[in-house]
Amino acid sequence: GAGVSQSPRYKVTKRGQDVALRCDPISGHVSLYWYRQALGQGPEFLTYFNYEAQQDKSGLPNDRFSAERPEGSISTLTIQRTEQRDSAMYRCASSLYSGVREKLFFGSGTQLSVL
Amino acid sequence: AQSVTQLDSQVPVFEEAPVELRCNYSSSVSVYLFWYVQYPNQGLQLLLKYLSGSTLVKGINGFEAEFNKSQTSFHLRKPSVHISDTAEYFCASSTMDTGRRALTFGSGTRLQVQP
Repeated sequence: GAGVSQSPRYKVTKRGQDVALRCDPISGHVSLYWYRQALGQGPEFLTYFNYEAQQDKSGLPNDRFSAERPEGSISTLTIQRTEQRDSAMYRCASSLYSGVREKLFFGSGTQLSVL
Repeated sequence: AQSVTQLDSQVPVFEEAPVELRCNYSSSVSVYLFWYVQYPNQGLQLLLKYLSGSTLVKGINGFEAEFNKSQTSFHLRKPSVHISDTAEYFCASSTMDTGRRALTFGSGTRLQVQP
């Protein structure tokens, strides 16, 4: 596709339910990031993939959060047993290159609301 | 640990006036610095970045920023703004550690250009 695609655009769920957020990066991009953005704040790093390898998951808040990118393309961020504090915009970004040539392209995000 | 501070949450300015959006960073190691712009309902877009070399960095849409190591600042400037520049602007940093690629974002500055 022309850009980074995230689905769904909006997700409303009840507390305790599991959710899966999808990111379809630009074709051929090797790096993929997940960020979370609370209202009125800047994005906060969650995790990073280089191809299919999860290189850094230090930003995941707790073990209810997990992410995968099994074939080095589409990625899924899963939140188990959602809580109200998980409500935020979840953003995915990808880059063709890694290192100093890295240039991130962000998707429009998934707005998660936990009731 | 890194931190990025954007001192102004909102900056109102008249069309064709100059503008400066302030950003200060804190890090115990050398960093790369970035400015991103977010238009409504869109993903973040890279405006410019400082990696090394000349401290004055020029970006897209007529924006520029100056890296000042002694003042730990990376302020964004534009000599004459347009209505279309109305958006949220985020300053971000990352370390030069190849094993730690995450961006640390400030809380954002909303630029409101008035006719």
